[in-house]
Amino acid sequence: GAVVSQHPSWVICKSGTSVKIECRSLDFQATTMFWYRQFPKQSLMLMATSNEGSKATYEQGVEKDKFLINHASLTLSTLTVTSAHPEDSSFYICSASNSPTGRNEQFFGPGTRLTVL
Amino acid sequence: AQTVTQSQPEMSVQEAETVTLSCTYDTSESDYYLFWYKQPPSRQMILVIRQEAYKQQNATENRFSVNFQKAAKSFSLKISDSQLGDAAMYFCAYLQGGSEKLVFGKGTKLTVNP
Repeated sequence: GAVVSQHPSWVICKSGTSVKIECRSLDFQATTMFWYRQFPKQSLMLMATSNEGSKATYEQGVEKDKFLINHASLTLSTLTVTSAHPEDSSFYICSASNSPTGRNEQFFGPGTRLTVL
Repeated sequence: AQTVTQSQPEMSVQEAETVTLSCTYDTSESDYYLFWYKQPPSRQMILVIRQEAYKQQNATENRFSVNFQKAAKSFSLKISDSQLGDAAMYFCAYLQGGSEKLVFGKGTKLTVNP
């Protein structure tokens, strides 16, 4: 149980285009989903927290107009990188929380590698 | 703000031996949770072990155990009988009670030598 999927697992796009990454909780309802960015050989950096049906809360320094987050249902959150540039190339990881069960645990997706040419 | 420090960027261990990864954290809260996550080359984050701050007993999961020293704010991970599959990045993480934001350390890269 507690499986989180991400799609696509990797994507290559041209500079200036937009890319959408999906995060799904497959066997539980996630009231909260998180989006992280991870640079090579570094730790996870939280970008934003999204709650179903409400606007995402972005961390300081993260451009909300560039990284659009939508949490339309209890099992799906999407991250859209708008007008992508090479510096947006990174590994993006989502996680989902089932805190209502009292476990205070996040379950992580397998990540998406984005390369912007 | 809470911080998590992993002072060992890299560690190595011989197969079948025991290794301890260190983690310290800074908080003024009394209600919190601590985690160790493993990130193998596949980059999938895997929960290794968790510890509730209110529990005095150290958490154990098979070959993985922690030494939780609340007063010292220390949360080290001991891996016994190390296996080649244990090679990965290990991240220590803190979660304040009532919050959902994990605070990660910078990670320790563990190499297991055959």
